Amino acid sequence: DGGITQSPKYLFRKEGQNVTLSCEQNLNHDAMYWYRQDPGQGLRLIYYSQIVNDFQKGDIAEGYSVSREKKESFPLTVTSAQKNPTAFYLCASKGTSSGANVLTFGAGSRLTVL
Amino acid sequence: AQSVSQHNHHVILSEAASLELGCNYSYGGTVNLFWYVQYPGQHLQLLLKYFSGDPLVKGIKGFEAEFIKSKFSFNLRKPSVQWSDTAEYFCAVNPTSGGSYIPTFGRGTSLIVHP
Repeated sequence: DGGITQSPKYLFRKEGQNVTLSCEQNLNHDAMYWYRQDPGQGLRLIYYSQIVNDFQKGDIAEGYSVSREKKESFPLTVTSAQKNPTAFYLCASKGTSSGANVLTFGAGSRLTVL
Repeated sequence: AQSVSQHNHHVILSEAASLELGCNYSYGGTVNLFWYVQYPGQHLQLLLKYFSGDPLVKGIKGFEAEFIKSKFSFNLRKPSVQWSDTAEYFCAVNPTSGGSYIPTFGRGTSLIVHP
C-alpha cells in the first residue's frame, strides 16, 4: 500500500543534541511538508518542498533544517537552536494530478527533549 | 496570509447529540476548504473537502459541512454523534491562487463523545 512512513515513532533527546526525523513516501508525490503539532495550537508549518532540490521555510522554521535530495524523502533535522523542540511532528505529501489537492499524512514522530 | 479560526477548542457530547463545529477563515480570494480528523492513535485523515460547486459537502461517517462565502465559514455538522467520533478535528484552508499549495490549519477541536 502507498503511504508515508515516519521514523522513529518516539525519540528522546538530550538538550544540545541535533536529531533527524525521517519521512519517506511511495506515493510519487512531488510536494512534501513538515508540520509541528502542539496541544491547542493545531498544525504549524515548518518547511515545505514543492519539488526535488527545492524547499521553502514555513511559519516556524527557526531551529530546523531540511533536505530534499530525492523525491521520496524529506528528512527534518531539529537542531540545538530550536528552543522548545518537544512536540509531535507530522510529515505530509501531496500529488499534482487533478483533484489531488489533499494532503496525505504520516503517523507522526513524537520528540521529547530531556 | 490566510488564517483559520476554530471557535470550539473542547466539545463534550453524549451519543446521539447533534454536533456543529465552527470554522472561519480570513482570505479575500477563492479557497479550497477542508476538515481533517485525527482519531486516537491514528493518522490525520481527510474528513471532507470543498473545492467548488454545491456549498453543502458530505464526507465520511455522516459528516457534512456548509461553505458560506459571505461569512467566510465552513462549519462541520453531524446530526447524531457516536462514541467512535471521539477525535480531534482540524479545519484547513488553501488559497487557489498563487501557485503554491500551502494549507493553513486551525488550532483544532477536541471532541469527546460519552457513550
